[in-house]
Amino acid sequence: AQTVTQSQPEMSVQEAETVTLSCTYDTSESDYYLFWYKQPPSRQMILVIRQEAYKQQNATENRFSVNFQKAAKSFSLKISDSQLGDAAMYSCYQGGSEKLVFGKGTKLTVNP
Amino acid sequence: DAGVIQSPRHEVTEMGQEVTLRCKPISGHDYLFWYRQTMMRGLELLIYFNNNVPIDDSGMPEDRFSAKMPNASFSTLKIQPSEPRDSAVYFCASSAQGRRGSANYGYTFGSGTRLTVV
Repeated sequence: AQTVTQSQPEMSVQEAETVTLSCTYDTSESDYYLFWYKQPPSRQMILVIRQEAYKQQNATENRFSVNFQKAAKSFSLKISDSQLGDAAMYSCYQGGSEKLVFGKGTKLTVNP
Repeated sequence: DAGVIQSPRHEVTEMGQEVTLRCKPISGHDYLFWYRQTMMRGLELLIYFNNNVPIDDSGMPEDRFSAKMPNASFSTLKIQPSEPRDSAVYFCASSAQGRRGSANYGYTFGSGTRLTVV
């Protein structure tokens, strides 16, 4: 069965600093994708970044980047120059053929 | 495109009443998913459809829950009778079939329906 684990229920970071959120997964599929979604207090689920498992190069999206370690089945999210608007619940997802499997999320607080 | 549209945004109902949640997926998306989110369990997949056909309903908690997709632009999730433990945020999401499968391109989520059963 596919599982996704986020070991940090809550994290905090000072504004303008860098924070890394961890995610590990387990899947028997050889071809899959990984995602980080952000859910601010507005409740809207927003796609932050996407990584294709067959690509070795780590995905980046402006201040957001990932550290993808396929052998270790690890997919961490790094947020650089944190901003107050980054405060949200961040969830890691792994998707294969049809369904996405979700972690329980990490609540990120950004302190001014 | 207006995105995935869910209604109502909030619903408060009394225990035992029937509740119907509605979802309009993005036009052209052939997968539709219903999720429930709680603090304790995070996001849980309830059921998903492909081309209006239910594919996997193993996440539907009880017979009190039912979902339909009568056409490509509309789906409902019904709870009858509702119970306080059904209180949660219910999300609908849709995605398009990619070369390697729909989940590879991620989902577009609706804004969710916050259900409170008192």
